[in-house]
Amino acid sequence: TQLLEQSPQFLSIQEGENLTVYCNSSSVFSSLQWYRQEPGEGPVLLVTVVTGGEVKKLKRLTFQFGDARKDSSLHITAAQPGDTGLYLCKRTDKLIFGTGTRLQVFP
Amino acid sequence: DVKVTQSSRYLVKRTGEKVFLECVQDMDHENMFWYRQDPGLGLRLIYFSYDVKMKEKGDIPEGYSVSREKKERFSLILESASTNQTSMYLCASSLGRGPGGYTFGSGTRLTVV
Repeated sequence: TQLLEQSPQFLSIQEGENLTVYCNSSSVFSSLQWYRQEPGEGPVLLVTVVTGGEVKKLKRLTFQFGDARKDSSLHITAAQPGDTGLYLCKRTDKLIFGTGTRLQVFP
Repeated sequence: DVKVTQSSRYLVKRTGEKVFLECVQDMDHENMFWYRQDPGLGLRLIYFSYDVKMKEKGDIPEGYSVSREKKERFSLILESASTNQTSMYLCASSLGRGPGGYTFGSGTRLTVV
C-alpha cells in the first residue's frame, strides 16, 4: 500500500483566517481527488485535479496539483465555520485515501 | 438526487454474532467499496467489487466477507463479530474504471459489545 501523507493532521482556526493543507505521495500519480467529510456523514467529492500544475477553484477553495504530480494542496480563503470537517485526498489510480486533515473553524 | 443508502446509521451487536451491513446504490454504478474508518487510522479498504458476483480483497479483509448478487447491492458480512470490529463502516460506489469520484453512503456506526 502506497501512502498518501496529509499535513497538518489537525488545524484549529478562527473564522476569516486562511489555511493550506497538503497531500504528498512518494510516487507519481495520474490524478487526485479531494473530499470533505462532515461529522456523521460520508465523504463528499469536492474536485478532481488531472494535469500537473493545474489549479482549480471552487468558491473560496483553491486546489493545486504539483508540477511533479506527487503532491497537491488545498487552500481555503477566509475560512467559515461551515468549512469544518475532515479533508481527504485520494489518488484516482489507487483505492487508498490520504491520512486526512481535520479542520475546525471557530466563529 | 443520486444516492448510496446504508441500511442502518447505528448498530449494536454482541460478540460472536453474524452481522450484515447492507448498501444500495441507485446510480447504476459498476464499482462498489466497503471501507472502515477509525480515529488515527483513516479509511481502510475492506473489500471491493467491480461487477456483479465479483469481489476482491482490500487491505484488511480478515474477519469480513461480502456479497454482490445484484449490481445495486453490496453487502458486508462480519462472520463472527468481535470488539475490534467496532468502527464506522462506509460504503461507496463509482462509475467505471476512470477518474470518476466516489459517492459515499452516510455510514454505519457499529458497536460490538
